[in-house]
Amino acid sequence: GAGVSQSPSNKVTEKGKDVELRCDPISGHTALYWYRQRLGQGLEFLIYFQGNSAPDKSGLPSDRFSAERTGESVSTLTIQRTQQEDSAVYLCASSLTGANEQFFGPGTRLTVL
Amino acid sequence: GQNIDQPTEMTATEGAIVQINCTYQTSGFNGLFWYQQHAGEAPTFLSYNVLDGLEEKGRFSSFLSRSKGYSYLLLKELQMKDSASYLCAVTPEGIKAAGNKLTFGGGTRVLVKP
Repeated sequence: GAGVSQSPSNKVTEKGKDVELRCDPISGHTALYWYRQRLGQGLEFLIYFQGNSAPDKSGLPSDRFSAERTGESVSTLTIQRTQQEDSAVYLCASSLTGANEQFFGPGTRLTVL
Repeated sequence: GQNIDQPTEMTATEGAIVQINCTYQTSGFNGLFWYQQHAGEAPTFLSYNVLDGLEEKGRFSSFLSRSKGYSYLLLKELQMKDSASYLCAVTPEGIKAAGNKLTFGGGTRVLVKP
């Protein structure tokens, strides 16, 4: 079956513009996570969705970052007024429930000029 | 807070063994994951340890000591394709909790030489 997919794979934008990143989780997975990975570093947790519960937004670095998820399907991560320090790979992962192994998508490489 | 340490880089020879250590200090701990990440690709799951001891999966083994806040990943009979980053990650919540956001270390880049 299909894995986690993300789009776009690459995004180059100018400082100050808004960007929207998309994640399609594995069908049937109730949990969805967003992580950020700066060059040569580990992954930083951003936000977590579990079913219809309120999302855990504790990892979002500023109020310029927001995310939505429609039911148990697609999620979008929005970054407003992008800054150069937002340049990173944004990885999405999903798991069957919140207590299972996470499967990662290929990521979106964001470059802010 | 959360603090997870692992070496930045290791080099080993094809056919040899390499051990990647990970130490953690976290406010609450449930289990520890190891992921493999090839350059430019998504992390892929290798192992998950909840109880103390060694878990063996073919050429890869993972060890956990909860009392020492320590884990290692052992790669045997190294192959060139094992050149990748290896990420140690901790789940701070209980396994039955609704949410297992992972806290990652910085990753260890392993270079396998012929």
